[in-house]
Amino acid sequence: AQSVTQPDIHITVSEGASLELRCNYSYGATPYLFWYVQSPGQGLQLLLKYFSGDTLVQGIKGFEAEFKRSQSSFNLRKPSVHWSDAAEYFCAVGQMDSSYKLIFGSGTRLLVRP
Amino acid sequence: DAGVIQSPRHEVTEMGQEVTLRCKPISGHDYLFWYRQTMMRGLELLIYFNNNVPIDDSGMPEDRFSAKMPNASFSTLKIQPSEPRDSAVYFCASSPWDRGIYGYTFGSGTRLTVV
Repeated sequence: AQSVTQPDIHITVSEGASLELRCNYSYGATPYLFWYVQSPGQGLQLLLKYFSGDTLVQGIKGFEAEFKRSQSSFNLRKPSVHWSDAAEYFCAVGQMDSSYKLIFGSGTRLLVRP
Repeated sequence: DAGVIQSPRHEVTEMGQEVTLRCKPISGHDYLFWYRQTMMRGLELLIYFNNNVPIDDSGMPEDRFSAKMPNASFSTLKIQPSEPRDSAVYFCASSPWDRGIYGYTFGSGTRLTVV
């Protein structure tokens, strides 16, 4: 069965510093991969997605993620964090077959120091 | 497009009462999903529909939970009778068939509190 692991529950970075959030997935074939962001009391907003092609994908708000098949990873990065980036980030995996299930990781809460 | 619309945003009910959550997906999206978010269990897929037909309800926790999609623009998630452990945020999401290109779009959620 497919699964997603986000090993970091909390991450704290200083404003202006770079950010990398880790995501590892378990799936027998190439999956669809997504990163979502959730601000307090809000729904989930899609940051970026990967389904084929270039393994480095660009998203909104200056985020990018790199798909590494050999490491079963899809880490999210941002070169310079802004205070408004403080939120919870979820990695998700979807199967490329007929199932449309989207399975989420447990999330990483990002705190930004001024 | 107005996005995925959920109602109500907040619901407080007493244990034993029936609760109905509502969702309007994005027009043209073939798939609709119901998720539940709790601190303990994170985001769990409860059920999803394709063209109004339930495809996978393996995540529905108990018989007290039921979901329907009578037409392409409306779905409900019902809990009867409700219990305090059902307190959570319930999200609805929709997706077109080519989800790899467009992704899944989530509503703002319904925060349910059962007292």
